[in-house]
Amino acid sequence: GENVEQHPSTLSVQEGDSAVIKCTYSDSASNYFPWYKQELGKRPQLIIDIRSNVGEKKDQRIAVTLNKTAKHFSLHITETQPEDSAVYFCAASILSGGGADGLTFGKGTHLIIQP
Amino acid sequence: ETGVTQTPRHLVMGMTNKKSLKCEQHLGHNAMYWYKQSAKKPLELMFVYNFKEQTENNSVPSRFSPECPNSSHLFLHLHTLQPEDSALYLCASSQDFGDNEQFFGPGTRLTVL
Repeated sequence: GENVEQHPSTLSVQEGDSAVIKCTYSDSASNYFPWYKQELGKRPQLIIDIRSNVGEKKDQRIAVTLNKTAKHFSLHITETQPEDSAVYFCAASILSGGGADGLTFGKGTHLIIQP
Repeated sequence: ETGVTQTPRHLVMGMTNKKSLKCEQHLGHNAMYWYKQSAKKPLELMFVYNFKEQTENNSVPSRFSPECPNSSHLFLHLHTLQPEDSALYLCASSQDFGDNEQFFGPGTRLTVL
């Protein structure tokens, strides 16, 4: 089955700096890679996702890159702000016409934005 | 092995049937979650239980009824479902509500005919 590794487990950056979270996956058939953000005491929320037919996707200060050859994808947050402090989960899945086979999540990265 | 088990792994039911999904965690966690995963949609949180008390009901239709008899077991009772309820239902647990890491079960693939 799919295995997703996520690093680092904790990341502390100064406000205004950039943060990068990296994930690797094992199943070359995976074609859908979402990132979830979970603030303390709140539910995980999807912040960005990418499908295997593109190499990069941006949404304001957030970007995700995908390297299918290396089976590696990363989350980039620029100009970090205090409200970016949260736990971020990457995940991998195979999306087909019949639906998703299930998300395999990374174990999460606790991002701390230092004022 | 995440320590969270779900049964059954696959379920096919008619719209008039009543069935239940079961989740069990062996991790000593205090919080448990039901998620729904449909094609082309993000993971949707349905219910959250913290210390057996329901803390969130994410506007889920009443045809889904959760039950948490203790902190190790979580059920999702299903009745008069609709075909659009066909999805993968994931259970998860964490040490405490909002804790860093959620451990997910393998899911139940539900098909409503």
